[in-house]
Amino acid sequence: EVQLVESGGGLVQPGRSLRLSCAASGFTFDDYAMHWVRQAPGKGLEWVSGISWNSGSIGYADSVKGRFTISRDNAKNSLYLQMNSLRAEDTALYYCAKAGDTAMAAWGQGTLVTVSS
Amino acid sequence: QSALTQPASVSGSPGQSITISCTGTSSDVGGYNYVSWYQQHPGKAPKLMIYEVSNRPSGVPDRFSGSKSGNTASLTISGLQAEDEADYYCSSYTSSSNVVFGGGTKLTVL
Repeated sequence: EVQLVESGGGLVQPGRSLRLSCAASGFTFDDYAMHWVRQAPGKGLEWVSGISWNSGSIGYADSVKGRFTISRDNAKNSLYLQMNSLRAEDTALYYCAKAGDTAMAAWGQGTLVTVSS
Repeated sequence: QSALTQPASVSGSPGQSITISCTGTSSDVGGYNYVSWYQQHPGKAPKLMIYEVSNRPSGVPDRFSGSKSGNTASLTISGLQAEDEADYYCSSYTSSSNVVFGGGTKLTVL
C-alpha cells in the first residue's frame, strides 16, 4: 500500500524558513516523479513544485520560484521542500503527491504551515 | 500561469447526470492530453478520478468519465450518488512543464 507521510509544518514568522519532509513507502520511490501541492484554508488546490525521479527535471509555480527548493533523497525514500522567505500567503496545508500516469496518483494527508507574526 | 476555469458549484439529484467543465488555453488543456480530475471530500486528501483526459484509475467507478474538446475538458458523473458530493478539481500539464489546477467545483447531491 502506498503511504506518504508529510512532516515539518508548524507556525513560523514571516521571512523565516521551514523545511517540509515526505516519507514514502509501499512503492519503488526512485521510479516516480513527486510533487508538492498546497491548499490554503477554505481555498482550492495549488501546485507548488515537482521533481523527476532522478532530480534531473524540476519545476516551480511562479508564486514560490526563487524562495522554495524541492529535493529528494532516493536512498531515504524521502521528498523535501525547503521554504525560505515565507509570507502570510504561504499559509496552507501542504500535500506530498506521487506521480503516476501523468497525474498525481497518490496523496499524503498533508502538513499545515502557518505563517504569522 | 492562471488557474483553469471551473464553475463554482453544480448540483443534481440522485440518479441524474452532471457535467463539470474545465476551461484553459492552448498552452495547457488544449495543448496536451494530460488533463486530470480529483475528488476531495471535506477534511480529506484529494483522490485521482480521471487521468489523461478520459482514463480511470483502478477502483474508480465507471460512472465517472472524462472528455475534452479544444481548450475545455469535462468530467461527467452519471447515476449520481450521495457519496459523490465533494469538491472536484481539474488539472493540466502546461507548456512551461508545470502543472495548473482549476479553482474547484462544489458538487451538491440534492
